[in-house]
Amino acid sequence: NAGVMQNPRHLVRRRGQEARLRCSPMKGHSHVYWYRQLPEEGLKFMVYLQKENIIDESGMPKERFSAEFPKEGPSILRIQQVVRGDSAAYFCASSPIELAQETQYFGPGTRLLVL
Amino acid sequence: EDQVTQSPEALRLQEGESSSLNCSYTVSGLRGLFWYRQDPGKGPEFLFTLYSAGEEKEKERLKATLTKKESFLHITAPKPEDSATYLCAVISGTYKYIFGTGTRLKVLA
Repeated sequence: NAGVMQNPRHLVRRRGQEARLRCSPMKGHSHVYWYRQLPEEGLKFMVYLQKENIIDESGMPKERFSAEFPKEGPSILRIQQVVRGDSAAYFCASSPIELAQETQYFGPGTRLLVL
Repeated sequence: EDQVTQSPEALRLQEGESSSLNCSYTVSGLRGLFWYRQDPGKGPEFLFTLYSAGEEKEKERLKATLTKKESFLHITAPKPEDSATYLCAVISGTYKYIFGTGTRLKVLA
């Protein structure tokens, strides 16, 4: 029973390039959440998606960041024109149903380094 | 504003030396409190979910408890393999987890 999968695990980009992070939720899970973790800081919520719908993107910067979860394929977090401050670990989590108290299961993360 | 504070920030224990980690929270209507373990370079690994004050859950050497203001993660007779960062998160009315900054635990052989 595969867990949440993320790729790539490590991504290096130069300033101004685009970063695309992918997340495949656990089998049977249709709800995906993205979080960002900066060194010495807690994980911060970015966006919540269901298939073909963005439910809440209140934690995501309004510029340069976008997310999608298409009907087929993984969820994608896209960062355009990356800057050094975007360097962080990005984690995806999934849950089977939409309940506020439902446990979210996390993937291994993508560590983005912007040079 | 909803907030989660974990203490201590770091903890060093000798193997077999039991201790507790604290997670204090301020939320408007707790819907759930979650404990995760995170190893370096990896994602958070789910440990426990607690829903109401007085609830307790156990798994091997770990026991989580919940009151109306805080949660404790008790570690009994820890081993070096218990070394990790332990994260606490809460949900208050929405699906957004609010995380603390974690407690870095090091267990020495």
